Formats: sequence, C-alpha cells, structure tokens
Amino acid sequence: KAGVTQTPRYLIKTRGQQVTLSCSPISGHRSVSWYQQTPGQGLQFLFEYFSETQRNKGNFPGRFSGRQFSNSRSEMNVSTLELGDSALYLCASSLGQAGGEAFFGQGTRLTVV
Amino acid sequence: QKEVEQDPGPLSVPEGAIVSLNCTYSNSAFQYFMWYRQYSRKGPELLMYTYSSGNKEDGRFTAQVDKSSKYISLFIRDSQPSDSATYLCAMSARGGSNYKLTFGKGTLLTVNP
Repeated sequence: KAGVTQTPRYLIKTRGQQVTLSCSPISGHRSVSWYQQTPGQGLQFLFEYFSETQRNKGNFPGRFSGRQFSNSRSEMNVSTLELGDSALYLCASSLGQAGGEAFFGQGTRLTVV
Repeated sequence: QKEVEQDPGPLSVPEGAIVSLNCTYSNSAFQYFMWYRQYSRKGPELLMYTYSSGNKEDGRFTAQVDKSSKYISLFIRDSQPSDSATYLCAMSARGGSNYKLTFGKGTLLTVNP
C-alpha cells in the first residue's frame, strides 16, 4: 500500500514569490492535514481538509491557503513568501474521524532566500 | 503555558539501555495519544497510538498514558543504534472541530553502540 506522497521534496524560492506544494494521501483516506515544522516552533498545525472542505484551521496568516480535490489529493499555497516561511512542510493522511491515526509524508523542504 | 511540554534533550544512552521519554499536557480534552519517530530529513513515522489511559505494548516499545496526571510516556527496551532519532509526542481531542494533532517539540535520542 503506497504511503503519503509529497512533491516536490525540495524547493528554493525568493522572498515575495508564491509556492504550491502537493500531497497525495494514502488510498482510501479522505482527510489531509498540513503542518509546518521549524527548529524553533516544532510542528504546528496549518489546516485540515476532508471531502474537499476545510474543517479546521491553525493560527497562520491568510497567505497560507489550501484546497482538496475530489480524489482527496491536496495542495497548499503560500503567497508573498517571507524568510520566516523557510521550513519543512508536512502532510498527514487519515481516514478522517477525530483522533484517528495520522500518517505523514516525507515533507517538502522550502527555503526562502 | 504550552499545551504539550516535552523535554528536548538531547538524550544519549548506551546500546541495550532502557529509554524513557515523557510528555506532559494541560488540555484535559486530549483523549488520543501518539508517539512518532522522526529520522533526520524524514517525515514523522507513527510508532504508538493509544486512546485514553492505560498501557500499550508493541515489541520493544511500551506507551503509557496517565490522564489523571496529564502525563504520557514511551519506553524503549533493549535500545538499538537504529533507534537514534527524534521522538515526538502528539495528542488530539475528541469531537467538535478537533481534527488536528498538537505536538511536543520532540526529544532527540542517540543510542551509542
């Protein structure tokens, strides 16, 4: 059974640009969550999608947005990149019930210069 | 006060030692508790998943949850160099709009041969 796939694995962007990250969940999983991981803050929740609807959102500015498609694949977009957006962005896949087991992808390492 | 506190370490032990990793939390609504292992430059891997209080054992790993003390632990018996990684505790609440995990900052473990 294939795991969670995130693309691309690495990205280098310039301040002010925008970026789109992609996540394909485990087959049969309808929930996709996004997290930002930095050395200082650890793993922080960005948002969660289930059946194309955002059910939960973390405390990030509106520059961070996402969406989910009918096949459960999800994309995350960050506009007007700032140096502080440099982080590992992780996607987690689950069946979708509260408290359910979540499985992570390998992440996308974003560097903003 | 952070919702989840975890000693960042680093923790260094000899091969074969018993390792104890711990997290405390403040949100009494948390009912699902997880431990993830994260190797350098990789995504977190789900190790243990428990619901409410009690113990769960899986091979060399034992997870304990004490809800009355708001304290969870992960024990690793007969530790191996391959166990060297960052260990993250995570937890979530039941019901409402709580479709997210709250993480500790992780404990860096090194097992020396």
